Amino acid sequence: RKEVEQDPGPFNVPEGATVAFNCTYSNSASQSFFWYRQDCRKEPKLLMSVYSSGNEDGRFTAQLNRASQYISLLIRDSKLSDSATYLCVVRGGAGNMLTFGGGTRLMVKP
Amino acid sequence: GAVVSQHPSRVICKSGTSVKIECRSLDFQATTMFWYRQFPKQSLMLMATSNEGSKATYEQGVEKDKFLINHASLTLSTLTVTSAHPEDSSFYICSGISGGGRTDTQYFGPGTRLTVL
Repeated sequence: RKEVEQDPGPFNVPEGATVAFNCTYSNSASQSFFWYRQDCRKEPKLLMSVYSSGNEDGRFTAQLNRASQYISLLIRDSKLSDSATYLCVVRGGAGNMLTFGGGTRLMVKP
Repeated sequence: GAVVSQHPSRVICKSGTSVKIECRSLDFQATTMFWYRQFPKQSLMLMATSNEGSKATYEQGVEKDKFLINHASLTLSTLTVTSAHPEDSSFYICSGISGGGRTDTQYFGPGTRLTVL
């Protein structure tokens, strides 16, 4: 079983749609949680951290459920520029490393 | 955010040659640097972790004699792929953090695309 699992997609949605991504992690000792965005042939860039209380940044809302070891990302009013791969990332365990999920690809169409 | 640079951004080499990739933290001191590898349509996989002035710690399955890592200063780490083969073709990304606490942000370099013919 992978440490961080995501549906690879792709999710094809029209502009303006709301789309949700999910992620599960296996290490219950994980301490920090993030969503990163990676464009094709580029490095990953931090989108937002994820907290149990839920956090929102503009059109993006992230949620963490520690009991279920489940992380979500909601994107409202999708833009063409949101097309990218979204990586669920978990920090914790020995060495406090970042562990990346396989990513979920989003394609927003006009 | 902090800036991490990598050089070269792209390299094509013949099988059997060695390739050196440089990773620099431009506006912070990276006490720890990480090297990742990403194959097409796959996730980033951590190869090794290096602390300045110490030997790198390699992840399971990564050959330390093939992927030589040097972290001689707080702003520079290098990865040398020795005797590269086509299966080493990948996207190599470095990242650095300062400090080492739980909340330190990890800043990523732009990556180096290696193609071995």
